[in-house]
Amino acid sequence: QQQVKQSPQSLIVQKGGISIINCAYENTAFDYFPWYQQFPGKGPALLIAIRPDVSEKKEGRFTISFNKSAKQFSLHIMDSQPGDSATYFCAASGYNAGNNRKLIWGLGTSLAVNP
Amino acid sequence: DAGVTQSPTHLIKTRGQQVTLRCSPKSGHDTVSWYQQALGQGPQFIFQYYEEEERQRGNFPDRFSGHQFPNYSSELNVNALLLGDSALYLCASSLEHLVGGYTFGSGTRLTVV
Repeated sequence: QQQVKQSPQSLIVQKGGISIINCAYENTAFDYFPWYQQFPGKGPALLIAIRPDVSEKKEGRFTISFNKSAKQFSLHIMDSQPGDSATYFCAASGYNAGNNRKLIWGLGTSLAVNP
Repeated sequence: DAGVTQSPTHLIKTRGQQVTLRCSPKSGHDTVSWYQQALGQGPQFIFQYYEEEERQRGNFPDRFSGHQFPNYSSELNVNALLLGDSALYLCASSLEHLVGGYTFGSGTRLTVV
C-alpha cells in the first residue's frame, strides 16, 4: 500500500515554465513533508520542506503548497531551468507504532526541462 | 564539510559473495538509515540504526545486516549476493527525534555479476 502517492510519473516543461508535482498522503499523523531532488548517480538532496501548520512555503523558485484538509501537497518550480532536470521525490515523516520516526517516500517524478 | 560520506563509491562483486559498505554520518547526527535504490526507482528503506542498535527494519531478508559504531558511523553487510542486489545503496543520517530532513550520501553503486 502506497502511503504517499506522487504524480505525474514524468514531466516535460519548457524553459521558463512552471513545473508542478503533486503528492497525496493518507496518514494524518505525518508531521513533516520534505521534497528531495536527485540527479543521476547522486543521492537525494533535501530541496524544501513544510510542516502541516503552514499552507505555503517558498524558497527562491521553489514553493510547497499544503492542503491539510485534502491531505495533499505540491511542489511548484517557477521559471524552470534545464538545470532543474532531475528526479523529484516527495516524502512524509512521522512516528510509527514503535515511536520511531519514519520517512515514507513517493515513487518519484522525472522532470525534464527543455531549453 | 561534514556531510555524509560513503565508501566505496563503486563496487563489483560476484554472485554468492559478501559485501560491506560504509557510512560516516553528518557531523552532529546520531541516526543512520540505509536505503536500496534500483535504477529508475525510489529509495527502499532497509534499516535504521540508533545508539548502536537496529531500531527499524524494512522488508529485506536477513542477508542484509548492519552495525553502528560508537562514533555513529555504520556498516551495511550483504551476504550471499544475488544479481537482484545490484543497486545504489544510500546512507542517510539524521538527528533522533528532531523533525527534519535526512541528509544523504552520494551512495555506493553495487553491481553483482
